[in-house]
Amino acid sequence: NAGVTQTPKFQVLKTGQSMTLQCAQDMNHNSMYWYRQDPGMGLRLIYYSASEGTTDKGEVPNGYNVSRLNKREFSLRLESAAPSQTSVYFCASSDQPMNTEAFFGQGTRLTVV
Amino acid sequence: DAKTTQPPSMDCAEGRAANLPCNHSTISGNEYVYWYRQIHSQGPQYIIHGLKNNETNEMASLIITEDRKSSTLILPHATLRDTAVYYCIVRTNRDDKIIFGKGTRLHILP
Repeated sequence: NAGVTQTPKFQVLKTGQSMTLQCAQDMNHNSMYWYRQDPGMGLRLIYYSASEGTTDKGEVPNGYNVSRLNKREFSLRLESAAPSQTSVYFCASSDQPMNTEAFFGQGTRLTVV
Repeated sequence: DAKTTQPPSMDCAEGRAANLPCNHSTISGNEYVYWYRQIHSQGPQYIIHGLKNNETNEMASLIITEDRKSSTLILPHATLRDTAVYYCIVRTNRDDKIIFGKGTRLHILP
């Protein structure tokens, strides 16, 4: 029972480099989310996807792009990483509309130097 | 923007009931109250949710006031493993977004 799987778990980037964070869920959920959590802070929503083929901005979308590749996968791309994007990134999924418990991955710890 | 207000931190003695309050004075009729917790740096974990009736599951109880403007999460017999940040969230069953506030950092004291 994998749930929500994020890869990689850790990553160090140099300023200006690009990378894609991968997220996959095996619960056949419609909705998927990307959050960031800075040290000592709460979670902030970057982007979300209510269903396959749709994506919407959250609270802090600048500097990121997302792709809902299929129902299972939702990727987050940093085109030109900046030190301000050093954070822990969490992916989550939930079913809509009746069962809205969200399941979270274990996070990707990203450091931009 | 989060629609809830929680105290930033609370202490509770091990073995006692932990009562975590949440204020959601602007809640609308079709919005549910959800609780999640985040242990250390793990991904948040769902605890419980409710609309207007009190709810109980194997982890906790949720007490919602009659006017629905506030609620309390109760961990009946707190253990050290309950040390975490607890988030109270309001949303409808059709809300696509899940917005977290700052939460309450619960310290369980041995």
